[in-house]
Amino acid sequence: DQQVKQNSPSLSVQEGRISILNCDYTNSMFDYFLWYKKYPAEGPTFLISISSIKDKNEDGRFTVFLNKSAKHLSLHIVPSQPGDSAVYFCAASYGQNFVFGPGTRLSVLP
Amino acid sequence: EAQVTQNPRYLITVTGKKLTVTCSQNMNHEYMSWYRQDPGLGLRQIYYSMNVEVTDKGDVPEGYKVSRKEKRNFPLILESPSPNQTSLYFCASSLYGSDNYGYTFGSGTRLTVV
Repeated sequence: DQQVKQNSPSLSVQEGRISILNCDYTNSMFDYFLWYKKYPAEGPTFLISISSIKDKNEDGRFTVFLNKSAKHLSLHIVPSQPGDSAVYFCAASYGQNFVFGPGTRLSVLP
Repeated sequence: EAQVTQNPRYLITVTGKKLTVTCSQNMNHEYMSWYRQDPGLGLRQIYYSMNVEVTDKGDVPEGYKVSRKEKRNFPLILESPSPNQTSLYFCASSLYGSDNYGYTFGSGTRLTVV
């Protein structure tokens, strides 16, 4: 059973609009969450993270929201740019355990 | 159950003693990859494989070897481990190739080299 789910395999957004990528998890033990971005032919790179003691973390155009009661987190990109087109992975961890979601492919259309 | 299986989950070894971390997937994925996860450095790709007998270096291949003799297995070999290879390692496979979604990650292998 997948502990970290990204139920939208792909998402298309117009340039300048908001991109919202969603992630759901099942294990309430997770206390740290991360988002990675992966460009074609490259490995994933770290984007932004959030601890379970917070409900929001912001870094430039990227904001991650955490709703612990719903076991849900989301990544908002505002405004979206064509260079944001990539695969985005959600990951969750606690202690020695680290679980990745399957990824969502974001396409930002000019 | 569709999965990527890594073994062992935890390993403590001494400098210079050769070790292999196994990775096996049961989804008939062509693409497989190894990553290491380090604090402050995120996830870095070590090696990847697009298909049987096809392997390529990632961002941090030094000190590692891989092989892809059959589709389901992609072992990571450390011929002479060093303390700077202490890390958390993930194997992953992908249904749609390296540039798309549909990844499945293994549970991770925490390696300590003393």
